[in-house]
Amino acid sequence: GAVVSQHPSWVICKSGTSVKIECRSLDFQATTMFWYRQFPKQSLMLMATSNEGSKATYEQGVEKDKFLINHASLTLSTLTVTSAHPEDSSFYICSAPRGYIGDSNQPQHFGDGTRLSIL
Amino acid sequence: SQKIEQNSEALNIQEGKTATLTCNYTNYSPAYLQWYRQDPGRGPVFLLLIRENEKEKRKERLKVTFDTTLKQSLFHITASQPADSATYLCALHSGGYQKVTFGIGTKLQVIP
Repeated sequence: GAVVSQHPSWVICKSGTSVKIECRSLDFQATTMFWYRQFPKQSLMLMATSNEGSKATYEQGVEKDKFLINHASLTLSTLTVTSAHPEDSSFYICSAPRGYIGDSNQPQHFGDGTRLSIL
Repeated sequence: SQKIEQNSEALNIQEGKTATLTCNYTNYSPAYLQWYRQDPGRGPVFLLLIRENEKEKRKERLKVTFDTTLKQSLFHITASQPADSATYLCALHSGGYQKVTFGIGTKLQVIP
């Protein structure tokens, strides 16, 4: 069964709205979670690394004030898309490694993604 | 710059045949390579991991090879089934705290 749960799975909202996406590790603790964005027919692009109890690390070109990340507990990370615009419409996916983040053997466990459509 | 190449065109094969997908990379020295399956509208699901010092790894009907000289990984599905139809992503990792980089994926269609 799923080990990472992502909610909601689908959001449609008006331009200017802020949208919060939750990512939960279900049966393990995740000190680190990753947020990706995927446009149609493109690869997963890492947006940021979410660290429990500290600030997220953003990839180059990703606006930290636009995409707010909070990792307040060992099982929950949230991504808030603030003042969303149509160009923010995409498929957002979170993931978490099940073990020590420095362990190269750990695959990523992904949520089922959130389809965000901004009108 | 680092680049991962997967055949972005769909691969169509007949049920029962072996599907072979290719992942090539440049300007990269991965410590290990992973393959994932992604169904439409879903998140990727981990399939196999192979380390740089491993030539081949198998799991049931799946086989992955890793040639660091050619900078290439091949992903094989033997006795393919229609249920194997999906997009398959390869992902490279340099180890430790380095981020994972994904290819664009190859869409596999197994025809009954």
